[in-house]
Amino acid sequence: AQSVTQPDIHITVSEGASLELRCNYSYGATPYLFWYVQSPGQGLQLLLKYFSGDTLVQGIKGFEAEFKRSQSSFNLRKPSVHWSDAAEYFCAVGAPGTASKLTFGTGTRLQVTL
Amino acid sequence: GAVVSQHPSRVICKSGTSVKIECRSLDFQATTMFWYRQFPKQSLMLMATSNEGSKATYEQGVEKDKFLINHASLTLSTLTVTSAHPEDSSFYICSASDRGGSEKLFFGSGTQLSVL
Repeated sequence: AQSVTQPDIHITVSEGASLELRCNYSYGATPYLFWYVQSPGQGLQLLLKYFSGDTLVQGIKGFEAEFKRSQSSFNLRKPSVHWSDAAEYFCAVGAPGTASKLTFGTGTRLQVTL
Repeated sequence: GAVVSQHPSRVICKSGTSVKIECRSLDFQATTMFWYRQFPKQSLMLMATSNEGSKATYEQGVEKDKFLINHASLTLSTLTVTSAHPEDSSFYICSASDRGGSEKLFFGSGTQLSVL
């Protein structure tokens, strides 16, 4: 069965500092990989996704993620965090090629200090 | 981009009543829709998968008689929480796929259900 692990429940960074949120997955093959952001009481917004090809994926709001097959990881990064980036971040995996359900990690809550 | 509209965004009801949540795909045909439940400060847990014109597939542990899902058209799926109880209070989110697989999956903005 597929699973997603986000080891950091809560992270605090200063505005302007760099950010890396970790995500590890377990899947039989290379799944589709996603990062979503959720503001309090809101739905999910897709930041970026990886299907195949270039392992460094660029997303919205200045985020990027790197797929590392050898480590089964898909870590999310941002060079300089803004206060508005404070939110909950979810990593998710999905089976490629089908309209299948996503499996989400438990999320990482990002707090940004000024 | 594609939009999924979820309504209502927030509902408060008395214990024992039923609540219906709607999920609409506004500019694409959603052959498959998913319903998730999220408890405070936890991840999204898939409740069920619905395909247009057929019965929903429920995840293990989800009571299908309590959480009724109808996907009667390619643009609308509904989740009805029957005889709601306080333990049903949660954030419910739908997502919709437009035939393209999980790479074309769009989420609604969620419904906060509070059962008194």
